[in-house]
Formats: sequence, structure tokens, C-alpha cells
Amino acid sequence: QVTLRESGPALVKPTQTLTLTCTFSGFSLSTSGMCVSWIRQPPGKALEWLARIDWDDDEYYSTSLKTRLTISKDTSKNQVVLTMTNMDPVDTATYYCARYRALGASYFDYWGQGTLVTVSS
Amino acid sequence: QSALTQPASVSGSPGQSITISCTGTSSDVGSYNLVSWYQQHPGKAPKLIIHEGSKRPSGVSNRFSGSKSGNTASLTISGLQAEDEADYYCCSYARSNTQLFGGGTKLTVL
Repeated sequence: QVTLRESGPALVKPTQTLTLTCTFSGFSLSTSGMCVSWIRQPPGKALEWLARIDWDDDEYYSTSLKTRLTISKDTSKNQVVLTMTNMDPVDTATYYCARYRALGASYFDYWGQGTLVTVSS
Repeated sequence: QSALTQPASVSGSPGQSITISCTGTSSDVGSYNLVSWYQQHPGKAPKLIIHEGSKRPSGVSNRFSGSKSGNTASLTISGLQAEDEADYYCCSYARSNTQLFGGGTKLTVL
């Protein structure tokens, strides 16, 4: 059974750095084709893809946010960490991690329940 | 990269069929048969309902189907049911190994 769970602060101040952790089970990030992505959704708005890390350690970032994002993984702990610098109120959103299937495919087949992050002083 | 274009809302009566379009460009939807669709009920995480344009994951009703023509992908829901009322998002593989979501479509079952 595949599960993913996001954790991190519910409230951050403007200019601070956000660190979110995705803890997953039911698959290994060292298996070919397995990847984990971060996706966010501001309240009442659409989904926005942020970043992805692959089984082979390749990293990919949203063009518009790449200067602020860093994604990393700890395969032994089954965790993926996303950091986003210089947080702003417009970054208030529910942040999801999701398993992404690559190698000839491209889809998010399992999602965490999401964690709401509010940016406010 | 701009978001894929979806209608903001569609509606239909129970038993009817509806189609939601997802328009991209020759750099994303038009170049790859790698469009996926997600259903999201209020307060819930998105759920995969179609991948690689037309493939349904195990457990997803065959009332959901996907297709593509040129730069536009489409999701069709036949035999509308009250439980289909939700937001629907398309997503495409895009250049540089990134992913692009649509703006979302709110489906109302009348």
C-alpha cells in the first residue's frame, strides 16, 4: 500500500525559508521510474507543479520558481524534502507531495493529503 | 510556461455526457501523449483518473475516457452521476522534464 504524508510548519513569516518533508511508504525511491514531486494549490485556485526528484537523483524545477526551490531525498528514510526560500503571502497554499511515474509515462498516481502553509507576519 | 487552458466550468444533468477540454501548445500537449487527468473533491487531494491520454487506472469507472487531437486533450464523462461533481485538472508533460497543470474545471451535476 502506497502512502505519502506531508509535514512542516503551518505558519511562516514573509522572507523566511519553508522546509517541508514528504514521508512515504509502499515503494522505494531507488527503483527505476519512481519519482516524488511537490505540487501546491493556493486557496480556491489551481494546482501548480513545483519540483521533482527521481530515482537516479535527477532534479527538476518549475521554471518560474527554480531560483527559490531545492528538492532532496533520503532514500534510507523514505523522505523527500522541499525547501522554498524568501516566502511571500502569495505562497500561501496547500502543499502536496505525490508519487510520479516516469520512464515512458508521466502521471501522479498517489498523493498525500496536503499540508496548508500560511505566510503571514 | 503558461498553464494549460481549461473551461472554468461545465455542467450536465444526471445520465448525460460532458466533455472537458485542455488546450496546450506544440511544446507540451501537442508533442507528447502524456496528458493525465485528476478529479478533486472539496477539501480532498486530487485523484488520478486518466493517464497517458486515455488509460484508466485500476478502479476508475469506465465512464471516464480521454482523448487528444493536436494541442487539445479532452476528458469525457458519460452517464453523469451526482458523485462526479468535483474539480477536474489536466496535466501534461512539458519540455525540460517539467509538468504543466491546467487551470481546472468545476463540474456541476444539475
